[in-house]
Amino acid sequence: DQQVKQNSPSLSVQEGRISILNCDYTNSMFDYFLWYKKYPAEGPTFLISISSIKDKNEDGRFTVFLNKSAKHLSLHIVPSQPGDSAVYFCAASWSNTGNQFYFGTGTSLTVIP
Amino acid sequence: GAVVSQHPSRVICKSGTSVKIECRSLDFQATTMFWYRQFPKQSLMLMATSNEGSKATYEQGVEKDKFLINHASLTLSTLTVTSAHPEDSSFYICSATRSDRRGTDTQYFGPGTRLTVL
Repeated sequence: DQQVKQNSPSLSVQEGRISILNCDYTNSMFDYFLWYKKYPAEGPTFLISISSIKDKNEDGRFTVFLNKSAKHLSLHIVPSQPGDSAVYFCAASWSNTGNQFYFGTGTSLTVIP
Repeated sequence: GAVVSQHPSRVICKSGTSVKIECRSLDFQATTMFWYRQFPKQSLMLMATSNEGSKATYEQGVEKDKFLINHASLTLSTLTVTSAHPEDSSFYICSATRSDRRGTDTQYFGPGTRLTVL
């Protein structure tokens, strides 16, 4: 069963506005979460991560929020730019697995100029 | 929900030996599977695209004779690292594409295989 879920397959946002991508997980043992960005015909590029000891991590225009009690994380992009248009995958892992990752199915973000 | 499995999850081998990694789509048929290798900073490099019943398409710079890919069925693709060397040590991830009735493709990732070559 999918342990990491991204329930919105697509999202469209106006340039300059905030993009919010959501991700839910079922396994409470996960202690490390990542967001990847993927362009067509390329491998996913690491974007930002957060460990379970934090509830927020910020890097420039990208902020990841973690709500452990709800088993939910989100990626905020602000302001959104057309170059942000891509598929975004969230992934989760836990220390015992030696970095095995469990990926969501991705959300395709389109930023409209 | 769709699940993609990889076996083994970890493997340690001696230099010069070959290692086979399996990628299976457990509850759907995948006409296309992808193989990735993780590099520092955690990004995944696309190595090859595996299509059932045909030869894999390798990305530039990936040695096809070293990384043998066989997509034997609609639910199984294998990556064989031949004559492995320490520099091949990495984390290898596969993904499988499922198409729904509307023709929408969804990519499902496996959990990855950690290869350590001594």
